[in-house]
Amino acid sequence: QVQLQESGPGLVRPWETLSLTCTVSGGSITSNNLYWVWIRQSPGNGLEWIGTTHNSGSPYYNPSLNSRATISVDTSTNQFSLQLRFVTAADTAVYYCARQSIADSGPYNWFDPWGPGTLLTVSS
Amino acid sequence: DIQMTQSPSSLSASVGDRVTISCRASQTILKYLNWYQQKPGKAPRLLIYASSTLQSGVASRFSGSASGTDFTLTINSLQPEDFATYYCQQTFSTPYTFGLGTKLEIK
Repeated sequence: QVQLQESGPGLVRPWETLSLTCTVSGGSITSNNLYWVWIRQSPGNGLEWIGTTHNSGSPYYNPSLNSRATISVDTSTNQFSLQLRFVTAADTAVYYCARQSIADSGPYNWFDPWGPGTLLTVSS
Repeated sequence: DIQMTQSPSSLSASVGDRVTISCRASQTILKYLNWYQQKPGKAPRLLIYASSTLQSGVASRFSGSASGTDFTLTINSLQPEDFATYYCQQTFSTPYTFGLGTKLEIK
């Protein structure tokens, strides 16, 4: 079964760029009808969708991030990544990666499975 | 953005009880509604997608229903492992949004 695992620095200084990687195991990141997504969770903002990508399509993002996010896919390593520029304390959260599946019978879609999450703190 | 309003925000119940958790969308989302369960320190786990389809491996005591923009998660015969926080999510349009959660506690 597919498993995901986030990795990242844990601590980032304000106004720098955070970089997180999600390693997918047990399945190919290039499978059809599968998209790959980043979500974050903080006490102040609850669960927030960051963006979604596909190995052969353009990513799409939450406008609330004001164009600071970039999601990319590396098919050679079966990983996808998130970069978030100009971070502030408001970006402190647990960051999750997940697979976004689309139903064969229609465009319903959902996030499953999720990685265990990685805590990212923005502080000087 | 589509707002998802869950109620109640917290709920106390006993093992064996039947509980219902509600989620209301601020506009039509058809049946693009998912339910997740989250336990402390863990990632959310998908329970139900497309409003009422049970994810593989999820206990049959969980069920979902929809009426217009109102959605309900029902848990029959609560088990000790069901005490957790539950979230609804709409995937009808981006940005995908979640409710603020319902914390189910042991009475």
